[in-house]
Amino acid sequence: EVQLLESGGDLVQPGGSLRLSCAGSEFTFPSYAMSWVRQAPGKGLEWVAGVSGSGRNTYYADSVMRRFTISRDNSNNTVYLLLTSLRAEDTAIYYCARDKLGSWGWYFDLWGRGTLVAVSS
Amino acid sequence: SSELTQDPAVSVALGQTVRITCQGDSLISSYASWYQQKPGQAPVLVIYDKNHRPSGIPDRFSGSKSGNTASLTITGAQAEDEADYYCNSRDNTGDRYVFGTGTRVTVL
Repeated sequence: EVQLLESGGDLVQPGGSLRLSCAGSEFTFPSYAMSWVRQAPGKGLEWVAGVSGSGRNTYYADSVMRRFTISRDNSNNTVYLLLTSLRAEDTAIYYCARDKLGSWGWYFDLWGRGTLVAVSS
Repeated sequence: SSELTQDPAVSVALGQTVRITCQGDSLISSYASWYQQKPGQAPVLVIYDKNHRPSGIPDRFSGSKSGNTASLTITGAQAEDEADYYCNSRDNTGDRYVFGTGTRVTVL
């Protein structure tokens, strides 16, 4: 089955770090750009970071620039999100999503179930 | 940075039609995709590429765009369509994405 499976969410103290993983299965992983999208409790969706299929190009939302790092290991079909200098407002469910380029633009055609990151002392 | 604005909530009677709008400057030069999210679940793509539906999405869902406003229309809303709906597009840089503020649809 084509799917994405996130892991690594945890309770962490403010200022701490965490690495999230997202494993893809049953599709040609290097052919797809990937993104992380988060959702704070009771709030909307927020795109956080993206990485090209090769891993050479990365992009970030202003809210996480210089604190989060996205990377990928195509030999293991996995994309990572390293979260550092964590703040209470980073508390959210973090979803991994597959980017797809259609005829009229980009969209997310496959989503994982998410992993919960809670930042609290 | 780019923003996409949606009405916070709309309601629709069972079997009637509802349109959800998404407004933003980035939509002038791009098309929105639309996602449905039910409580406790991950988002699901419902519309992409102007007005295409992924396999398994009912044909009562349709998309359109005029100027800087994208719309998602549910024609003949069903109880199972009650959910939060989000639009999305690339932002003005072309490298990043922006989600709309979200619309909660209630089916009466």
